[in-house]
Amino acid sequence: GAGVSQSPSNKVTEKGKDVELRCDPISGHTALYWYRQSLGQGLEFLIYFQGNSAPDKSGLPSDRFSAERTGGSVSTLTIQRTQQEDSAVYLCASSSYISNTEAFFGQGTRLTVV
Amino acid sequence: ELKVEQNPLFLSMQEGKNYTIYCNYSTTSDRLYWYRQDPGKSLESLFVLLSNGAVKQEGRLMASLDTKARLSTLHITAAVHDLSATYFCAVVDSSASKIIFGSGTRLSIRP
Repeated sequence: GAGVSQSPSNKVTEKGKDVELRCDPISGHTALYWYRQSLGQGLEFLIYFQGNSAPDKSGLPSDRFSAERTGGSVSTLTIQRTQQEDSAVYLCASSSYISNTEAFFGQGTRLTVV
Repeated sequence: ELKVEQNPLFLSMQEGKNYTIYCNYSTTSDRLYWYRQDPGKSLESLFVLLSNGAVKQEGRLMASLDTKARLSTLHITAAVHDLSATYFCAVVDSSASKIIFGSGTRLSIRP
């Protein structure tokens, strides 16, 4: 597609359930980033992929959070046993390091844990 | 570990005035970005700054980069209401290739 696509756009889940958030980056972009943005706050770095590998997982808040990327393309962020404090907008971005462009963002997934 | 600080965090200004947002970062980097975010929306890229002394302008916004001082500025000239938004700077951590964002500056421009 032309831009970064995230799904679902909105997700309401019950506390304790698992959720999967999907990110489809711009075709050919090797770098993929996940961020979390709480209401009125800045962007919290979660994880970064270069190709299929994740050299930096330092931002994942707890072991309930995991992410994978397959085929150097689509990435999935999984949150297990969701808690109310996980409620936020989860943003995905991709970039092409070779061409020195910025990271382009998807529209985000708004997660609400009730 | 790379830290990125923006100031001010909130800025209320009148139309027609000039102002500057500052972005300081703690370690060497060769790449800095400025983004705009409107309420309830995602981030829109404004500028990419790649070298010391880089200056880019788009309309009433001008961004500059001083890599020696580890400082970037976003200057707003003769502000108009349409520029009301939150502005983020983001710095690439050269050692880790991750992008770290500042806290954002919430800009409100009143008539």
